[in-house]
Amino acid sequence: KNQVEQSPQSLIILEGKNCTLQCNYTVSPFSNLRWYKQDTGRGPVSLTIMTFSENTKSNGRYTATLDADTKQSSLHITASQLSDSASYICVVTLLNDYKLSFGAGTTVTVRA
Amino acid sequence: DGGITQSPKYLFRKEGQNVTLSCEQNLNHDAMYWYRQDPGQGLRLIYYSQIVNDFQKGDIAEGYSVSREKKESFPLTVTSAQKNPTAFYLCASSIGGRRYNEQFFGPGTRLTVL
Repeated sequence: KNQVEQSPQSLIILEGKNCTLQCNYTVSPFSNLRWYKQDTGRGPVSLTIMTFSENTKSNGRYTATLDADTKQSSLHITASQLSDSASYICVVTLLNDYKLSFGAGTTVTVRA
Repeated sequence: DGGITQSPKYLFRKEGQNVTLSCEQNLNHDAMYWYRQDPGQGLRLIYYSQIVNDFQKGDIAEGYSVSREKKESFPLTVTSAQKNPTAFYLCASSIGGRRYNEQFFGPGTRLTVL
């Protein structure tokens, strides 16, 4: 069973609207959590990284939040653009291991 | 222009054939990784290398082999023993194997078995 669960699996939004993606994880002990953006047929690119002591991190129109107590993270996209159409992947790093635990991703489609 | 390159972008293989996927990086990173991506699943680690001439199996190493003769290169061979090789393969690198070091990904190779 995947220890990093993302929801929804996919969503469609109109250009200019906001959306929020969810990530719940069970892996521990926790070191940090990253959100990656992956365009179709391309490699993932890091958007944000948060350690257990950080609650929020922004990168332009992308804002990630983290609640280490409930093991939940969210990625909020503000004023979506067509270029935001991609898969967004939540990745958790364990404290005592360099290996990463990947969520299956949320596919976002932005329509004009 | 620094980064990670993978070749080819698309690869077609007949059943029973071995194929090698190329991964090169000029970021001077010590650690390199190979992942497999299937629809609806998270990336899964095939092999990783933290230093030249050394590598370890990941979670799904069966049917794959690697070498790390140079710091810049980490080729992956998909052997005929891999029963379901059709997938998107991603190579990544990081400064070191430490947990908080960001992994930078290449553009990927899509392998299709005919």
